[in-house]
Amino acid sequence: KQEVTQIPAALSVPEGENLVLNCSFTDSAIYNLQWFRQDPGKGLTSLLLIQSSQREQTSGRLNASLDKSSGRSTLYIAASQPGDSATYLCAVQPLNYGGSQGNLIFGKGTKLSVKP
Amino acid sequence: DAGITQSPRYKITETGRQVTLMCHQTWSHSYMFWYRQDLGHGLRLIYYSAAADITDKGEVPDGYVVSRSKTENFPLTLESATRSQTSVYFCASSLHLSGNTIYFGEGSWLTVV
Repeated sequence: KQEVTQIPAALSVPEGENLVLNCSFTDSAIYNLQWFRQDPGKGLTSLLLIQSSQREQTSGRLNASLDKSSGRSTLYIAASQPGDSATYLCAVQPLNYGGSQGNLIFGKGTKLSVKP
Repeated sequence: DAGITQSPRYKITETGRQVTLMCHQTWSHSYMFWYRQDLGHGLRLIYYSAAADITDKGEVPDGYVVSRSKTENFPLTLESATRSQTSVYFCASSLHLSGNTIYFGEGSWLTVV
């Protein structure tokens, strides 16, 4: 059964730091991996989608990498800002999940706090 | 661009009552999903739909019913609410099943007392 783990559960950094959030998954048979941001009391916003054939995706100050063979992904945030404070979740879409092919398997998230 | 909207945003109901959570999307996306988010469990898929009149179970479907008579709407019904169904419910949609960004609504906070 696919499991997604995110460590650490919480992270606090001073403004301006570059930081890395980690995501690991147990089964490399995936369609893709996505990183989401969730603000308190809000829904999830997709940040980056990496297809299984890709190694990385970039959007602005965000860069996500994918190493399928080792079951790892990282989200790199450059020059962090207080507005980056949120919970970041990663999710994989398994190639095989019984009948629920649409299922995304989520990690429990990393709660990021960027201090001014 | 309205996107994906959920209603009600907040609901308190009693055990045994029927509750329906509404979801509406304006993009004509084929796929729609219902997830629940609980502390300690993260997000889990309840049901999903590939098109109008096509639905399928996710990881935690028991106690829930869905329908999709129109592409843009995907209501979730709790037939007889239980306290274990107290949760935050998120509706989501995507154009295709894989390889596309999935868009989430802002959530419906449901408390069953």
